[in-house]
Amino acid sequence: ETGVTQSPTHLIKTRGQQVTLRCSSQSGHNTVSWYQQALGQGPQFIFQYYREEENGRGNFPPRFSGLQFPNYSSELNVNALELDDSALYLCASSLELAGNSEQFFGPGTRLTVL
Amino acid sequence: GDSVTQMEGPVTLSEEAFLTINCTYTATGYPSLFWYVQYPGEGLQLLLKATKADDKGSNKGFEATYRKETTSFHLEKGSVQVSDSAVYFCALGAMGTNAGKSTFGDGTTLTVKP
Repeated sequence: ETGVTQSPTHLIKTRGQQVTLRCSSQSGHNTVSWYQQALGQGPQFIFQYYREEENGRGNFPPRFSGLQFPNYSSELNVNALELDDSALYLCASSLELAGNSEQFFGPGTRLTVL
Repeated sequence: GDSVTQMEGPVTLSEEAFLTINCTYTATGYPSLFWYVQYPGEGLQLLLKATKADDKGSNKGFEATYRKETTSFHLEKGSVQVSDSAVYFCALGAMGTNAGKSTFGDGTTLTVKP
């Protein structure tokens, strides 16, 4: 059973560019959540996808968007990058759409915006 | 809205010392509560969880009890080891339409010295 994987590991972009981050969920998991973790802070919920549809969104602007594919893998897209978007982006997968369902986290993608 | 407040760090202890990291929460309903651990350069790993009042979660010598009356979920370990050095996050899992969204505290950095 493979765990949650994310790509790329590190990424450097400049302000105003667009970026796509990828996540493969743990085998059999149909729910994927994305989090932004700024340096020295806890992860902040961006949004969640369940069976290819967005199900719940945190306090992030529309330039943060996502997709979930039929195999339950997911992408996070960020347009018009800003310096404050520099952070570790974490993907987490779970089996059920439930608050008490354990989430399994990937290692994250470190995004630096210059 | 939901929120989690963690004891501010960093915490530095000698090996075999007793550890307590305080966590209190604000939430509607009856969320599940979690402790995650993050080692340097890695994603989050679930350490333990509790899904209802008075439940005790335990793993690897760590324990935490879900106290509804004090809205707390303090993490304890009787004898810490150098390998326990990491950042610890308290989190709650939402219910209802926000199921799957987790709210995290800002983390507490623990350093254990030999």
